[in-house]
Amino acid sequence: GENVEQHPSTLSVQEGDSAVIKCTYSDSASNYFPWYKQELGKRPQLIIDIRSNVGEKKDQRIAVTLNKTAKHFSLHITETQPEDSAVYFCAASWSGGYNKLIFGAGTRLAVHP
Amino acid sequence: DTGVSQDPRHKITKRGQNVTFRCDPISEHNRLYWYRQTLGQGPEFLTYFQNEAQLEKSRLLSDRFSAERPKGSFSTLEIQRTEQGDSAMYLCAGEGESGYTFGSGTRLTVV
Repeated sequence: GENVEQHPSTLSVQEGDSAVIKCTYSDSASNYFPWYKQELGKRPQLIIDIRSNVGEKKDQRIAVTLNKTAKHFSLHITETQPEDSAVYFCAASWSGGYNKLIFGAGTRLAVHP
Repeated sequence: DTGVSQDPRHKITKRGQNVTFRCDPISEHNRLYWYRQTLGQGPEFLTYFQNEAQLEKSRLLSDRFSAERPKGSFSTLEIQRTEQGDSAMYLCAGEGESGYTFGSGTRLTVV
C-alpha cells in the first residue's frame, strides 16, 4: 500500500547550520509532495510543496528536491534559526481528482542558539 | 485564522461514551478531509468528502466512526462507544482553489 518513510526522526543543529530531512515514497503514481511544519499543539502548516514535473523548488531559506526515479524527496533548510524548531512532516499524494495525503512519521528539528 | 474551524478544541470523555466533532471549512472548500494524529506520528487519513458525497473511507474508520457533510459545507465526525485507543488529535482539512488548509484540530482524550 501507500507508504512514506521519513528520516531522521530527530535532528539537532546549531543556529546558522543547514538541516536536511529525507523522505521516500512507495506509490510511483504519487505526483504531489508537500512539507508541513507543526509546532507544539498547533495545526500543520504548509511550508513548501513540489509537483512531479519539477525537480527542485526554492523559497528563501527553504528548498525541496525531488527524484522521481528513486522515489525520494528532501527538504533543505539553510541558515537555520531557533524559530525553525518544530516537527516537520513530508507527505505524498496521487492527485486522482483529490489529494489524500500520506504523511511520514515526522522529524523533530531542534535549532540551538 | 486559516478559515477552517473545528469545535471543540478539546474533549475529555469516559470510555464507552459517544462524541461528535464539527468542522467548518470556508465556502470555497468543495473537498473536505478528516485525519487522525496520535502523539509522535504524522496525520493519518480517515475520510474524504467531495461536496456532500463521502467518496473514500480509510480502513482506520471502524464501524464505530461515522462522518457526514449534509449540505456540502460543515462536516461532523462521530465516534460511538469510545475506546482509549481513540485518544488522538482529529484534524479536518479543506481544499479548494487556494489549496489545502488544516483546522486547529480537536484533541480527544478517552479516560
